Amino acid sequence: DAKTTQPNSMESNEEEPVHLPCNHSTISGTDYIHWYRQLPSQGPEYVIHGLTSNVNNRMASLAIAEDRKSSTLILHRATLRDAAVYYCILNYGGSQGNLIFGKGTKLSVKP
Amino acid sequence: DAGVIQSPRHEVTEMGQEVTLRCKPISGHDYLFWYRQTMMRGLELLIYFNNNVPIDDSGMPEDRFSAKMPNASFSTLKIQPSEPRDSAVYFCASSQTGTSGGVRHGAQYFGPGTRLLVL
Repeated sequence: DAKTTQPNSMESNEEEPVHLPCNHSTISGTDYIHWYRQLPSQGPEYVIHGLTSNVNNRMASLAIAEDRKSSTLILHRATLRDAAVYYCILNYGGSQGNLIFGKGTKLSVKP
Repeated sequence: DAGVIQSPRHEVTEMGQEVTLRCKPISGHDYLFWYRQTMMRGLELLIYFNNNVPIDDSGMPEDRFSAKMPNASFSTLKIQPSEPRDSAVYFCASSQTGTSGGVRHGAQYFGPGTRLLVL
C-alpha cells in the first residue's frame, strides 16, 4: 500500500494561513489523495480530496505537486476550531474501504 | 441531514457480557464501515458493507466480533463475550459511490462514535 508521511505536529496562530504538508512518494497513478481531520472527542471528518489538479472547497484547498509525490492542505485562515489531527490518506483507485489512517499531524492553533 | 447516528454514545460493561453497538447511516449511502480507535493502534477498519452485503471483514479481530446489516438504514456490531482489551471508541461511517473520470471515489462520513469500556 502506498504510504504517506506527515509531521507529527504543527502550530499556527489564529487567523493566519496554515499549510499542512504530506509526502507520498510511492503514489500510483490512480491513487486519490484524501484529507480528513479529527477534532477532540469527535469522529473523523472529511475535508477534501483530489487526484491531479488543485481543489478548493468551503473548508480548505488542496495543492498537489506536479509529480503528485506530495500535497499540501491549506487552511486559509485558521480558527481555534481548526485545532485537530489532520490525516493525509491515499485511496487506491478510489475504491471504497481502503482508507488507512496513519498518525496524522496534530495542529494547534494559538489565539 | 442528520448525519451518521450511533448508539449508545457510551457503554460500560463487565468482562464476559455481550455488547451491541448500533449505527444508522446517511440515507442514500450504499457503503457502511465500522472502525475502532485506540491510543495504541489508532484508527482501524474492522469491516465494511456495500448494499448491505459484507465485503471485507479481514479487520475483525476475532470470532467474538460480528457485524450485520439487515437493511440499508441499520447496522450492528456485536462483541460476545467482551474483554477489557476491547475497550475503545467504535466509529461507524457511510459513503456513497461516486465517480470522477470513470474512477470511483468516496468521502466517508463518520458518526460521533461509541466509547466502550469493558471492566
